[in-house]
Amino acid sequence: GAGVSQSPRYKVAKRGQDVALRCDPISGHVSLFWYQQALGQGPEFLTYFQNEAQLDKSGLPSDRFFAERPEGSVSTLKIQRTQQEDSAVYLCASSFSGVGTEAFFGQGTRLTVV
Amino acid sequence: QKEVEQDPGPLSVPEGAIVSLNCTYSNSAFQYFMWYRQYSRKGPELLMYTYSSGNKEDGRFTAQVDKSSKYISLFIRDSQPSDSATYLCAIRKGNMLTFGGGTRLMVKP
Repeated sequence: GAGVSQSPRYKVAKRGQDVALRCDPISGHVSLFWYQQALGQGPEFLTYFQNEAQLDKSGLPSDRFFAERPEGSVSTLKIQRTQQEDSAVYLCASSFSGVGTEAFFGQGTRLTVV
Repeated sequence: QKEVEQDPGPLSVPEGAIVSLNCTYSNSAFQYFMWYRQYSRKGPELLMYTYSSGNKEDGRFTAQVDKSSKYISLFIRDSQPSDSATYLCAIRKGNMLTFGGGTRLMVKP
């Protein structure tokens, strides 16, 4: 496709449930980023991949959060044992180079934990 | 203190007004500055980026960086109702972007 695609668009999870969020970056884009955006806030960095290598995971809030990009294309963000504070929009972005300046964002997955 | 601070608004202006959106940042070492626009329930889209100090113009939009005061601005001329959105400033730190909290702009016809 022409842009970054994320699925599902909306996810409602019961507290304690595991969830998996998918990101299809723009074809050929080397770099992939995950951000978390709470309501009324700016996006906050979670993790960064260059091809299949996870080069920075300093923003992951706890060991319940795990991201992978096994073949250097599609990425999955997994959250185990979801809690109410995990409710947010999860944004994926990709860029052609490793610079990250001109990153293109997907529409996000809105996660609500009840 | 957050690395990038931004007034959340909302900022309401009449159509045709000049809009000024501003951010302050804490680290004088930052060199790359971006402005993103985010419509409701959409992902952010890059409007403009500037390197170091100075001005950059693109159509109705002008981005300005004042490194001496650690202040970045986005000006929108002849604002339109379609400009109504949240505007996010961001700085690049290594391979990641650090965003301000966003300013919600409403342009009324």
